[in-house]
This record gives sequence, structure tokens and C-alpha cells, in this order.
Amino acid sequence: QKEVEQNSGPLSVPEGAIASLNCTYSDRGSQSFFWYRQYSGKSPELIMSIYSNGDKEDGRFTAQLNKASQYVSLLIRDSQPSDSATYLCALSLDSSYKLVFGSGTRLLVRP
Amino acid sequence: EPEVTQTPSHQVTQMGQEVILRCVPISNHLYFYWYRQILGQKVEFLVSFYNNEISEKSEIFDDQFSVERPDGSNFTLKIRSTKLEDSAMYFCASSALAVETQYFGPGTRLLVL
Repeated sequence: QKEVEQNSGPLSVPEGAIASLNCTYSDRGSQSFFWYRQYSGKSPELIMSIYSNGDKEDGRFTAQLNKASQYVSLLIRDSQPSDSATYLCALSLDSSYKLVFGSGTRLLVRP
Repeated sequence: EPEVTQTPSHQVTQMGQEVILRCVPISNHLYFYWYRQILGQKVEFLVSFYNNEISEKSEIFDDQFSVERPDGSNFTLKIRSTKLEDSAMYFCASSALAVETQYFGPGTRLLVL
């Protein structure tokens, strides 16, 4: 069973729209959750971290965590062409140092 | 803003050769990591390092791999005898605490011929 699942996409949205990215996970011992953005050929760049149930907002980005349903999502408001990238969901487990990554969702923002 | 740096950005080597990938973590961070990403695949954890010893490693991190912090700033990954399947992007990351955000370096693209 995959530990972190994401729809590979591409998710295509028009400029100015809201992009909604989802991630589900299988291990209830998951403790911390992260969204990274990765441009082609580049390294993961942190967008947001979230540790407790509910919403967390940072500028145009909102992360949502629901531990009971084992999902975490990322909303991007007022999407821009520069947001076009692969968005990686990652988590860390109890008593573990490593991040476990999903395969990522490719987002395309059409001008 | 402090950042993780890595050298070289690209490395081409012959199968069976040894390579050393270098990283300078963020200066006040205590936890260091290596990940790799084979082209088109997900980012995979290799190893974490804290207090001058390995704290966790994956099944990928076999006897061909080793890590070292030779001085107060550098963190290295050595692959003793490279294989074709070691071709990947290798990312170094660091964090202040174990469960906190890991910040990634720009990566080293390793190509084994």
C-alpha cells in the first residue's frame, strides 16, 4: 500500500482560478505534513507545513489537514502561470527522521 | 536568507568509480539528510545524520554508500562503486530539529555511464 498518494495530473486551471491539490496517506502515525513545489530539474522548495487539524493560510496558499480522514490538501488562490510546477506532498512519521514523499501533482496554470 | 548548498551541480562518472557529493547545510541546523530522485520518480529518503552518526537509513543505503561530516560545515555522501542505477538527482537537506521543516539544496545530478 502506497504511503502517500497524489493524483499525478496534470491539473489545468486558468490564470486567476483556485487550484486544489489533494493528498492522502495511509499511516495514522504521520505527524507532520509538508507541501513542496518542484520545478522541472530543480529541488523541492517548501511552500507550507501543517501539524494540526484544520486550515493554515499563508498568502495565496491554504493547507488543510484532516487526520481522521487521512488527507491533506493545498489550495492556491489567484493562480499564476509561475505556479505551474509539480507539487509534492510529504509527511514525517512518529519516531522517524525521514520525509516520505508522494509522486506529486503537476499543475498547469493557463494564461 | 540561509540556504543549503551542494557541489558539484553535475557529475559524470564511469561505472565502478567512487564519487563524493558535497553539501553545506544551513549553519545552525543539527539534522542532515540525503535524498535521491531518479528521473521521473518520487523523491526517496536515503539517510539522516545527527550528532555525528547515522540516525536512520533506508534499504537503498547499502554498503556502497557512506556519509560523513568531515568538518563543522560540510556533509558528504560517498558512493564507493557506482552502478548505472545510481544515476539520479541527489538532494541534501537540513533541519533545525528532527520534526521540523527540511530545507533542500539545489541537488547534484549524477550520471553513471
